[in-house]
Amino acid sequence: QQQVKQSPQSLIVQKGGISIINCAYENTAFDYFPWYQQFPGKGPALLIAIRPDVSEKKEGRFTISFNKSAKQFSLHIMDSQPGDSATYFCAAKDSNYQLIWGAGTKLIIKP
Amino acid sequence: EAGVAQSPRYKIIEKRQSVAFWCNPISGHATLYWYQQILGQGPKLLIQFQNNGVVDDSQLPKDRFSAERLKGVDSTLKIQPAKLEDSAVYLCASSSQRGGEAFFGQGTRLTVV
Repeated sequence: QQQVKQSPQSLIVQKGGISIINCAYENTAFDYFPWYQQFPGKGPALLIAIRPDVSEKKEGRFTISFNKSAKQFSLHIMDSQPGDSATYFCAAKDSNYQLIWGAGTKLIIKP
Repeated sequence: EAGVAQSPRYKIIEKRQSVAFWCNPISGHATLYWYQQILGQGPKLLIQFQNNGVVDDSQLPKDRFSAERLKGVDSTLKIQPAKLEDSAVYLCASSSQRGGEAFFGQGTRLTVV
């Protein structure tokens, strides 16, 4: 019940296209859902986050869509650029403030 | 503002040897985390400190791993003795408060041979 399932494992998108990464969870007590971006040799960095009382949050080209009833949330990257090539992790925070992480999606944007 | 500093960046040791990692969090951050990230997986929390006290070490293999945060500032994580399956990147992160945004260091890549 503490798992966060992320898909796909890897994704190749043409420059200018839309990248979509999906996550699903079981624990309804999760109250914060961040997405992290990680470049090779670097630690993860917070990209965008959402709370379950909001269905969508947009920051620039990055949008989180949140479906509370389905217990799913997704990251959309519009107008994907080669610089977006990285590994993306979804996560969920439980009542003990612990982040439960997805397994990651390796995104490659082809020029 | 300086970020989270970790050292060393890379370490190669033989199994059964010991190793230590060091982390200096962002100044003023009360909460410090150590994560283990195995290749192809998301980070797994090993231990969480609030100031110099442990608030969560439920996933720390205490028979071989230990961590301390003396004076509530920098921290060390030790593995003794190391096993092959300990090969991973060890990430340190800090946040200004428990549950706040966590900022990560670059990590230490450990290879156990």
